[in-house]
Amino acid sequence: GENVEQHPSTLSVQEGDSAVIKCTYSDSASNYFPWYKQELGKRPQLIIDIRSNVGEKKDQRIAVTLNKTAKHFSLHITETQPEDSAVYFCAASNYNQGGKLIFGQGTELSVKP
Amino acid sequence: EPEVTQTPSHQVTQMGQEVILRCVPISNHLYFYWYRQILGQKVEFLVSFYNNEISEKSEIFDDQFSVERPDGSNFTLKIRSTKLEDSAMYFCASSGQHLNQPQHFGDGTRLSIL
Repeated sequence: GENVEQHPSTLSVQEGDSAVIKCTYSDSASNYFPWYKQELGKRPQLIIDIRSNVGEKKDQRIAVTLNKTAKHFSLHITETQPEDSAVYFCAASNYNQGGKLIFGQGTELSVKP
Repeated sequence: EPEVTQTPSHQVTQMGQEVILRCVPISNHLYFYWYRQILGQKVEFLVSFYNNEISEKSEIFDDQFSVERPDGSNFTLKIRSTKLEDSAMYFCASSGQHLNQPQHFGDGTRLSIL
């Protein structure tokens, strides 16, 4: 079955710097890759997603890149702000086979003012 | 914006007791999911549900677990005889008319087994 590895497990940056979180997946049939932000005790919230027919997607300060050949995808946050501090989870899914999300282990991002 | 709602927010139960976690998915969504998250760990898939039947289930979802959509709005997860290791946050999620649409998560139910 699918396995998703996520790195780093913790990331500390200064406000205004960029943050990059990387994930690799094992199943080449996976075709949908969402990123969720989870604040302490709250629900995972979708912040951006990408499908396998696209190499890059951007939404304001957040971007995601996908390399299907290498089976990895990354989240890029520019101009980080303290409110970006949270745990970020990547996930992979094959929406032709039921759509279950397989999550990475999470990255705890801390943005220091 | 429509949301997935879950009740209760916190459930405390004695080991061996049955528990039912309730979810109201977003109203026009067709695909429903349960996930769990043990404290400090990643979110794990339990089961997916479509057209009134289970689409897929994980190894975690053994005979002690069941799901049901008893009416047009609720989606429930039942654990028949709870174990200490069932203590976790349980999230319900739903997605729209097609599988390639994003999954939206509820606020979760924190289940504590004593």
